[in-house]
Amino acid sequence: EAGVAQSPRYKIIEKRQSVAFWCNPISGHATLYWYQQILGQGPKLLIQFQNNGVVDDSQLPKDRFSAERLKGVDSTLKIQPAKLEDSAVYLCASSLGPQGATYEQYFGPGTRLTVT
Amino acid sequence: DAKTTQPNSMESNEEEPVHLPCNHSTISGTDYIHWYRQLPSQGPEYVIHGLTSNVNNRMASLAIAEDRKSSTLILHRATLRDAAVYYCILRDLPGANNLFFGTGTRLTVIP
Repeated sequence: EAGVAQSPRYKIIEKRQSVAFWCNPISGHATLYWYQQILGQGPKLLIQFQNNGVVDDSQLPKDRFSAERLKGVDSTLKIQPAKLEDSAVYLCASSLGPQGATYEQYFGPGTRLTVT
Repeated sequence: DAKTTQPNSMESNEEEPVHLPCNHSTISGTDYIHWYRQLPSQGPEYVIHGLTSNVNNRMASLAIAEDRKSSTLILHRATLRDAAVYYCILRDLPGANNLFFGTGTRLTVIP
């Protein structure tokens, strides 16, 4: 079974530039998550999709971050304009079902963003 | 979300058992206890979860205290591949779907 795919794996940009990350979840997984992981910390949820609808985006800095999940499959996360503090690993995860604490999440390898 | 407390770091010798503790004194009756681990330069991966009874799977065992205020993840024979950050997470059913990660326990396995 193919895992969660993310691209690119690494990205270096200057502050005030824009950047986009792509995620392809495991086939058939209805729920998709984007997490931000700053060095030395655990991942923090940015946004959660159920099919192509947003379930939770309370932690997403909406003035600069946006995300979409077209057709309930692939997803893109965009930052525009980037700030130095956005330097982090951006993780995409997917899970099989909707609500339910027992559904495990499968994570991709992440995209390491460096903002200079 | 109810909070968990874990030691920042632990060490273990290769091929010996490892007991990773987690305290969750404010756990509610509907909170499941989940463990994930994150290997270097990888995304987190699911390890195990439980509610009240001890659980075993191919990766590990989860021992849950009778009052559910603490739990222990048990790796029966640590290998070098088990060196990772281990996160203990509480998830409410049918509440929040996301995972609230703390800082976890960094496990070092000594050859």
